[in-house]
Amino acid sequence: QQQVKQSPQSLIVQKGGIPIINCAYENTAFDYFPWYQQFPGKGPALLIAIRPDVSEKKEGRFTISFNKSAKQFSLHIMDSQPGDSATYFCAASIENSGAGSYQLTFGKGTKLSVIP
Amino acid sequence: DTAVSQTPKYLVTQMGNDKSIKCEQNLGHDTMYWYKQDSKKFLKIMFSYNNKELIINETVPNRFSPKSPDKAHLNLHINSLELGDSAVYFCASSRPSGNTIYFGEGSWLTVV
Repeated sequence: QQQVKQSPQSLIVQKGGIPIINCAYENTAFDYFPWYQQFPGKGPALLIAIRPDVSEKKEGRFTISFNKSAKQFSLHIMDSQPGDSATYFCAASIENSGAGSYQLTFGKGTKLSVIP
Repeated sequence: DTAVSQTPKYLVTQMGNDKSIKCEQNLGHDTMYWYKQDSKKFLKIMFSYNNKELIINETVPNRFSPKSPDKAHLNLHINSLELGDSAVYFCASSRPSGNTIYFGEGSWLTVV
């Protein structure tokens, strides 16, 4: 059972375009929603994250929009650049009570290609 | 000065062999993880340790055995390797109260 559904699987945009990646979750206990960026041959790295008490968060060219009632969140990349070409993963987490360990449930990833 | 380092980066081995992947973090974190990324890029947690204690043990064959000699190290030992074990294995770490998980660069395991 996949708890975080991500779409699209792949995305091609031209430089300057605004790619949008969407995610939906099922578990209302999730309390933290990060996006990770992964370049080929590298491990995922935290890009931006949001908590459910906020509807939008911006960091540079990256924006997360969050809709708690719909249990959906999305990543927008403004003025996309070829260097943004990577695989993007949405995720959701819930802290294991008393253990201090965060279990991230990842979406299946979106491979973004930004064409010059 | 890599934060989460894992070795080897590439490993090609025959079915039935036993192999280990080592992981070390110099971030001072108490929590460490092993994730598996399959050929379709899907990331799935395998294990989580907090201060050397096993916290999360997802449905993973018991051929996989993590070992944490101290809180800065979490090694993964795999017995009787199978073709389906071919994947990229990522070690990661975080603070117990922190939301950010820091990943290593991955170990590419190919079983032939």
